[in-house]
Amino acid sequence: NAGVMQNPRHLVRRRGQEARLRCSPMKGHSHVYWYRQLPEEGLKFMVYLQKENIIDESGMPKERFSAEFPKEGPSILRIQQVVRGDSAAYFCASSPLREVNTEAFFGQGTRLTVV
Amino acid sequence: KQEVTQIPAALSVPEGENLVLNCSFTDSAIYNLQWFRQDPGKGLTSLLLIQSSQREQTSGRLNASLDKSSGRSTLYIAASQPGDSATYLCAVTSGGGADGLTFGKGTHLIIQP
Repeated sequence: NAGVMQNPRHLVRRRGQEARLRCSPMKGHSHVYWYRQLPEEGLKFMVYLQKENIIDESGMPKERFSAEFPKEGPSILRIQQVVRGDSAAYFCASSPLREVNTEAFFGQGTRLTVV
Repeated sequence: KQEVTQIPAALSVPEGENLVLNCSFTDSAIYNLQWFRQDPGKGLTSLLLIQSSQREQTSGRLNASLDKSSGRSTLYIAASQPGDSATYLCAVTSGGGADGLTFGKGTHLIIQP
């Protein structure tokens, strides 16, 4: 049973380009969470998704950021027109139940660098 | 708004010592608390999960306690080893309909051989 898989592990984008980050949850997990870790900062919750539904996006910037978790395939975090301030590590976590009741398992993260 | 604080921010001790990492949170209405380990450039590894109704959890040389009413948790590491060197993160799942974990900034631990 593979863990949470994120790809790519490292991503370099020029300012103004789009970044697409992928997360495949653990087998049997239908709840996905995205977090961002800025340099010298703690991890911050961004968005919580179930299959085909965004449940809570209260931590996601209102502009340029979007997330989806389709019926088939991985969850995608999309950042349009990236800026230098978007450089961070983005982590995905999955759980079999809503996170309040159970342990969350994290992927290795995608480190985004905007140049 | 829930806030999680970890003290100390960094700690360096000789191998073999027992040590305690501290975590405090401002809103005691939590569902659970988790301790994670993060190695440089890597993801998070869950160490211990304490439900709000529990007082402590143990795994090997690790023991985590939870005092929900005072908003505190401690992670006790016995007989520390160089391989324990990492950043330790504390995170809570809060009530009030909030989803997702609220993390502290971590304690960067170095165990000197």
